Amino acid sequence: AQKVTQAQTEISVVEKEDVTLDCVYETRDTTYYLFWYKQPPSGELVFLIRRNSFDEQNEISGRYSWNFQKSTSSFNFTITASQVVDSAVYFCALEGSARQLTFGSGTQLTVLP
Amino acid sequence: EAGVAQSPRYKIIEKRQSVAFWCNPISGHATLYWYQQILGQGPKLLIQFQNNGVVDDSQLPKDRFSAERLKGVDSTLKIQPAKLEDSAVYLCASSYQGNYNEQFFGPGTRLTVL
Repeated sequence: AQKVTQAQTEISVVEKEDVTLDCVYETRDTTYYLFWYKQPPSGELVFLIRRNSFDEQNEISGRYSWNFQKSTSSFNFTITASQVVDSAVYFCALEGSARQLTFGSGTQLTVLP
Repeated sequence: EAGVAQSPRYKIIEKRQSVAFWCNPISGHATLYWYQQILGQGPKLLIQFQNNGVVDDSQLPKDRFSAERLKGVDSTLKIQPAKLEDSAVYLCASSYQGNYNEQFFGPGTRLTVL
């Protein structure tokens, strides 16, 4: 069975602060993919990143960066210099051999002006 | 490129009534998914289609939920009869092959059962 845990239910930061969203996963598969999705108030899930289990290189995309550590089964997401438009619910998800996405419960990020 | 389309966006019904949701995936996407997202939770997969065949429906409450994808394009999800606990957002997603490929999500249908 697969499980994704996002322990932070809600986070509030002030604009321009850095913020890290935690994600811990469990799986018995050796090959799997990890994802982050953003869900703004409009409700549509927006894909942010996909990382396979064999690639532990950290990735940076603009103000976004991701830290994948297989040793601790974590795939954390950092937003640098946060902006009000970053306010949304962020979901971490795992896809294993069953080819199905298992989502965490999400972290509500509020960026205050 | 047009995204995943869903209708209606909102639906309010009374318990024991029936309701149907429609999804039109991105053109060329073979795999289609229906998810249920209860408030405060992550989406939960209900059913997955590959073309017009069902890949997995293990989490679909088959006594009241049904789904079809005729001709391997559009899909319909039906609830009959609805219960209060069915209140949720129903998300449709599609992907090119469904094999670790990125899933593209529609805006969802928010269902309220009174």
